[in-house]
Amino acid sequence: AQSVTQLGSHVSVSEGALVLLRCNYSSSVPPYLFWYVQYPNQGLQLLLKYTSAATLVKGINGFEAEFKKSETSFHLTKPSAHMSDAAEYFCAVTLKAAGNKLTFGGGTRVLVKP
Amino acid sequence: EPEVTQTPSHQVTQMGQEVILRCVPISNHLYFYWYRQILGQKVEFLVSFYNNEISEKSEIFDDQFSVERPDGSNFTLKIRSTKLEDSAMYFCASGLGAGGQEQYFGPGTRLTVT
Repeated sequence: AQSVTQLGSHVSVSEGALVLLRCNYSSSVPPYLFWYVQYPNQGLQLLLKYTSAATLVKGINGFEAEFKKSETSFHLTKPSAHMSDAAEYFCAVTLKAAGNKLTFGGGTRVLVKP
Repeated sequence: EPEVTQTPSHQVTQMGQEVILRCVPISNHLYFYWYRQILGQKVEFLVSFYNNEISEKSEIFDDQFSVERPDGSNFTLKIRSTKLEDSAMYFCASGLGAGGQEQYFGPGTRLTVT
């Protein structure tokens, strides 16, 4: 079985500051990992995904994430926060050997202060 | 850009009533999913559908739930006799393939059972 833990349900950052959202996963087989973003009243939009190619993955809107197998982590970062980054962010995992279902973390709501 | 659409955006129903939530996946996608998010909780997988049959379902997806792809464009989730605890946001998603392929999410239907 797979699981995902996101540390911190709320994060507050200043505009221009580093955004760091933490995600740790648990799986017995190699995972595929995803970060999704949800803006108010919208669906989930894919930011980036790790599918066993490069461990540093670049996504949309300046976000990137690094897969660290030894730490079972897939933390999301952005060097400089913008007001438009205010949203809820979800980390998700699916296993190569276990079908397509996504298992989500609890989500982290990001507030960007001017 | 193609997108997944869902109707209605908000459905209010009385306990014990049947509801049908509708989704139009992206036209060339082959894999279809339903997820739900109870307020304040994680996004949870309900069911996946491929080649006109259920490929995987969660423990939540009991006999009260059913899915159907009645024509080439729609994908529906039916709840036969709604309970208060079915109140949630229901997300439809579709994808081209398995094994780490991206799932594209709709904006969701908020179901309120009174």
